[in-house]
Amino acid sequence: QIQLVQSGAEVRSPGASVKVACKASGYIFTSYGISWVRQAPGQGLELMGWISASDGNTNYAQKFQGRVTMTTDTSTSTAYMEVRSLRADDTAVYYCARAAYNYAGTCDLWGQGTLVTVSS
Amino acid sequence: DVVVTQSPLSLPVTLGQPASISCRSSHSPLYSDGNTYLHWFQQRPGQSPRRLLYKVSNRDSGVPDRFSGSGSGTDFTLEISRVEAEDVAIYYCMQGTHWPYTFGQGTKLEI
Repeated sequence: QIQLVQSGAEVRSPGASVKVACKASGYIFTSYGISWVRQAPGQGLELMGWISASDGNTNYAQKFQGRVTMTTDTSTSTAYMEVRSLRADDTAVYYCARAAYNYAGTCDLWGQGTLVTVSS
Repeated sequence: DVVVTQSPLSLPVTLGQPASISCRSSHSPLYSDGNTYLHWFQQRPGQSPRRLLYKVSNRDSGVPDRFSGSGSGTDFTLEISRVEAEDVAIYYCMQGTHWPYTFGQGTKLEI
């Protein structure tokens, strides 16, 4: 069936990096994009950025520019998001969501979320 | 960034009664192509978000017709005609026109 399955929970120390995976199945991966949205504990939703799986084009929210990198591996229909220089306030559930190939706001299919905990 | 404000933040309702959530954007989500990119999402307890409505009033597949959306300009509304127990969730609107796209704070609907 059509789904996005994310990698498991991660614990990192401040200053470290984390890479979250999002594997798509049931649809043509390269016909869409992937948006990444995070949710801090007890908080709302925050769009971090988007990548087109068709051409690798990316668009990041300025807040995350330079610290976040989104990539895709079309051979495995998997999207990745790496966050560097982690801080305690990066502790959140990170979601991938299917987007249009040219529009980040579609978000019509979501992964189950990946909890990233940043703690010393 | 565009600020999206929802009200109320908490909405106690009675089963079978209607419910209404307001969403106001600091900038109109009307895009130059004529579409208004204002979407609604539902997040049930312990679950991932799910899109309910896109471009103001278009229901996603499988969404009951008791959910409807309306509005224009900077003011939008999500309405539930008769609340059911499965509707307990946090509802978010999102403006998808001005980058970075931004969500409202969420409205917690509780019975």
